[in-house]
Amino acid sequence: ENVLTQSPGTLSLSPGQRATLSCRASQSVSSSYLAWYQQKPGQAPRLLIYGASSRATGIPDRFSGSGSGTEFTLTISRLEPEDFAVYYCQQYGSSPITFGQGTRLEIK
Amino acid sequence: QVQLVESGGGLVKPGGSLRLSCAASGFTFSDYYMNWFRQAPGTGLEWVSYISNDGSDTNYADSVRGRFTISRDNAKNSLYLQMSSLRAEDTALYYCATCKISPVGTCLFDYWGQGTLVTVSS
Repeated sequence: ENVLTQSPGTLSLSPGQRATLSCRASQSVSSSYLAWYQQKPGQAPRLLIYGASSRATGIPDRFSGSGSGTEFTLTISRLEPEDFAVYYCQQYGSSPITFGQGTRLEIK
Repeated sequence: QVQLVESGGGLVKPGGSLRLSCAASGFTFSDYYMNWFRQAPGTGLEWVSYISNDGSDTNYADSVRGRFTISRDNAKNSLYLQMSSLRAEDTALYYCATCKISPVGTCLFDYWGQGTLVTVSS
């Protein structure tokens, strides 16, 4: 299976700063079928990005995704207070689908 | 708008059974593959099971295969997870999620419910 490793495990930043989250795959992700999800405490995951760089419906443009092959990045250009959450990457380019272990974005 | 509402969670003893439900609205339920996920406290997401739009195809994580059964009733816009022989390690928040099928036949999970908590303890 394609193992996804997210880094860092925890990222401490202040509102207004730029956040860069990484997701590395053990094998190339077919057709850049890589998604990012946001999960706030006590809430369900929410799809942010699919196809490595396409924003899901209703997602603000401060969220952007990039990358291909085995290296992918989620960037939040200017952090808002509501962006502090856990972020997961998921590959759906091959079976079984797999998730990363998550990056916790916390307020510094 | 799309809504998924899980129910049926609770406290159950090891070896016991529980049936979870997921009521769907705001989309054509019978067009979508559906999934169950779970998340133990403080941990990441674990895929549990999927079912095809017509119910003819199902699959399970190794950790639950033979103990859990997924089903659906398209007339009632409902998804179910029958859980038996429950263990302490099945304790988790259980989510249902829609599956947007990719061209390679895998799932992108575009909508999620809020979850229902299952606690397995004596």
